[in-house]
Amino acid sequence: AQRVTQPEKLLSVFKGAPVELKCNYSYSGSPELFWYVQYSRQRLQLLLRHISRESIKGFTADLNKGETSFHLKKPFAQEEDSAMYYCALSDDYKLSFGAGTTVTVRA
Amino acid sequence: DAGVTQSPTHLIKTRGQHVTLRCSPISGHKSVSWYQQVLGQGPQFIFQYYEKEERGRGNFPDRFSARQFPNYSSELNVNALLLGDSALYLCASSFQRLAGQETQYFGPGTRLLVL
Repeated sequence: AQRVTQPEKLLSVFKGAPVELKCNYSYSGSPELFWYVQYSRQRLQLLLRHISRESIKGFTADLNKGETSFHLKKPFAQEEDSAMYYCALSDDYKLSFGAGTTVTVRA
Repeated sequence: DAGVTQSPTHLIKTRGQHVTLRCSPISGHKSVSWYQQVLGQGPQFIFQYYEKEERGRGNFPDRFSARQFPNYSSELNVNALLLGDSALYLCASSFQRLAGQETQYFGPGTRLLVL
């Protein structure tokens, strides 16, 4: 069975500091992984997907199959990055989400 | 386009009652998925409907059912409500069925409280 683990429930960083959100997964096949974000009073939305290999809002994520990880990184956090972040794994028709990490960026 | 819409935004029910939640997908989207999000956890997959047929079901009891209409809108029904059914119910739509190849667009959710 597939499983997504986000070990940190809360993450607090200062503005301008690097931020890294950890995500580990277990899946028997070739995974397709995503990061979703939910800003205050907004709906859940896609931040990035590993297959695109793109940077969105300064965030990047690298799939490491050896370590079964898909950590999200940003070199310089901004206050507008404060949000709830979910790592998710796709299995054909459904997404399996981690429990989420709340990020607070302090001025 | 207003995006995915859900109704009602919130409601309160008592144990044993029945509830119907509604979802309208983005225009042109044929797939609707339902997720349950309990406080402090990530969304858990309940159902996917594509072209009006159930294509996937999560690990939820038979008290949970859903359907998709010809206009691709969807209803989630929960019978014999339990306290543990209290959660945020999210609807997501996409053009195709395959979650891995399509961006899923989420609605604002319906917050259900069971007393």
